[in-house]
Amino acid sequence: TQLLEQSPQFLSIQEGENLTVYCNSSSVFSSLQWYRQEPGEGPVLLVTVVTGGEVKKLKRLTFQFGDARKDSSLHITAAQPGDTGLYLCAGAKGGKLIFGQGTELSVKP
Amino acid sequence: GAVVSQHPSRVICKSGTSVKIECRSLDFQATTMFWYRQFPKKSLMLMATSNEGSKATYEQGVEKDKFLINHASLTLSTLTVTSAHPEDSSFYICSASKNTGNADTQYFGPGTRLTVL
Repeated sequence: TQLLEQSPQFLSIQEGENLTVYCNSSSVFSSLQWYRQEPGEGPVLLVTVVTGGEVKKLKRLTFQFGDARKDSSLHITAAQPGDTGLYLCAGAKGGKLIFGQGTELSVKP
Repeated sequence: GAVVSQHPSRVICKSGTSVKIECRSLDFQATTMFWYRQFPKKSLMLMATSNEGSKATYEQGVEKDKFLINHASLTLSTLTVTSAHPEDSSFYICSASKNTGNADTQYFGPGTRLTVL
């Protein structure tokens, strides 16, 4: 049973389109982290959200933590080829990170 | 930010040999580090939690005698894959935990690609 469901797992879009990635769980997390990973490299932290209802923006990326701290979303506006990569959400629980399945994003020029 | 390094980045070894991978937090101290394994196109699978000065805590299904973890200082944890076999070939990634004010955030190393022939 996957504790943190991430969707979609694959996404192929054209440059300039918008997209949203979702992470949902029935568990409450003390915080939730989003990472981006490129092939052959380690995940790079994008943001940590802690407070229920929190919204954080990082240029064209908007992150939201659900009011109950059980779910989160990542919205990318006007996607660019440089956004291509594996996006991972991870919920903090019991001193460990619970990872979603990942979203493989491909942005075509 | 916080920088975590791993060494080596890539290793190829013969079946039956042991391989040691180092994970260092370069600009902060980490009482807790984590070791993950990642298969192609898949998410990260936690193998064990490494605590400075104490024994590591292994996840269910991970053989502690095969994957030896040592966390001798606040900036260094090592993972030794003993008697490696081809099925141990994988991408191994470590992370170090840093308190960022209101949360413990994990910062990841660049990973180590292990290939066992």
